[in-house]
Amino acid sequence: KAGVTQTPRYLIKTRGQQVTLSCSPISGHRSVSWYQQTPGQGLQFLFEYFSETQRNKGNFPGRFSGRQFSNSRSEMNVSTLELGDSALYLCASSFSFFTDTQYFGPGTRLTVL
Amino acid sequence: EDQVTQSPEALRLQEGESSSLNCSYTVSGLRGLFWYRQDPGKGPEFLFTLYSAGEEKEKERLKATLTKKESFLHITAPKPEDSATYLCAVQATPPPSGGSYIPTFGRGTSLIVHP
Repeated sequence: KAGVTQTPRYLIKTRGQQVTLSCSPISGHRSVSWYQQTPGQGLQFLFEYFSETQRNKGNFPGRFSGRQFSNSRSEMNVSTLELGDSALYLCASSFSFFTDTQYFGPGTRLTVL
Repeated sequence: EDQVTQSPEALRLQEGESSSLNCSYTVSGLRGLFWYRQDPGKGPEFLFTLYSAGEEKEKERLKATLTKKESFLHITAPKPEDSATYLCAVQATPPPSGGSYIPTFGRGTSLIVHP
């Protein structure tokens, strides 16, 4: 069974630009969550989508947004990038966020210059 | 507010030297506690889920245990390939008035096993 895939794996952007990251969950999984991981803050929850609806949201500014498509694939967008947005962005999928363990993808390493 | 504290922050072991990692947590009601392993530059890899005090789970050289306040990840006769950061996360049960199931992660324990 294929795992969670994320594209791209590495990305370099400059301040003020916007970026879109993509996540394909494990087949059959309907919940997709996004996390930001930095050395200073550790793993922090961004948001979670289930059946194309955002069900949970972490404490991040509105520059961070996401969506989920009917095939459960998800995208995350960050607008007006800041230096502090440099991080490893992780996507995790589960059959149902409320009841199941989450399985993580390899992450997208975003560097903002 | 849910809190998760992992100790030690870093641990160096010799191959074959058994030890334990600690995860202390504070939640209003525990729905589940999760252990993950993370290699540098990669996403966390799921290891175990524990749901109630007294529960234990094993996988190869790893054994996870759970009490009402903490969880331990015991590593028996570790090998260099066990070197990684081990993350603990808790998911609380929302109150009847409503809430979310957002998991809270600890900062992790960085384990290095020397041959």
